[in-house]
Amino acid sequence: AQKVTQAQTEISVVEKEDVTLDCVYETRDTTYYLFWYKQPPSGELVFLIRRNSFDEQNEISGRYSWNFQKSTSSFNFTITASQVVDSAVYFCALSEARDSSYKLIFGSGTRLLVRP
Amino acid sequence: ETGVTQTPRHLVMGMTNKKSLKCEQHLGHNAMYWYKQSAKKPLELMFVYNFKEQTENNSVPSRFSPECPNSSHLFLHLHTLQPEDSALYLCASSQDWDKNNSPLHFGNGTRLTVT
Repeated sequence: AQKVTQAQTEISVVEKEDVTLDCVYETRDTTYYLFWYKQPPSGELVFLIRRNSFDEQNEISGRYSWNFQKSTSSFNFTITASQVVDSAVYFCALSEARDSSYKLIFGSGTRLLVRP
Repeated sequence: ETGVTQTPRHLVMGMTNKKSLKCEQHLGHNAMYWYKQSAKKPLELMFVYNFKEQTENNSVPSRFSPECPNSSHLFLHLHTLQPEDSALYLCASSQDWDKNNSPLHFGNGTRLTVT
């Protein structure tokens, strides 16, 4: 069965701290895609990254970095030097290759609060 | 305008009312979607349209009726809703519906409250 687990319901940090958001997934497919989306208070989900199951290279984009570990079925997201504008709900999602991209299985989200 | 635009942002309706949610995308995408986001539940896919044709109805009750007149516009017609239908309804679009490398672009959502 497909499943995405974000065990951290809410995280609170002080500005400039580093923070890691955990994501663990379950799938029986060998080909799949993993996503991270950000949902600020305004409501829209903002696409952050897509990673396919054959690409285990970690990725860095500015203050954001992602650590994909197939051995532990995890796709964790780290924000370095966090800022108040990073406050949002972050969703991890899974899409199996047999399905189209719209059939995203979302985790329940992690609410990040960055305090000044 | 760019991106995916949803109107209204907020909607309060009684259980006997009929209302419609509107979504418009300016990205030249071919596929559009309705998602429901309820409190403390993961996002749920409701409907998918590809080139104006409905390709997915995820067991949604008939009190929700989608309409897609063209690839840029998507509506969700609501009638005789229940209080448990109160949620954030998100519209999304993607370039293609059958490619896994096509990320979804979401609108700001309509916050619906059914009284």
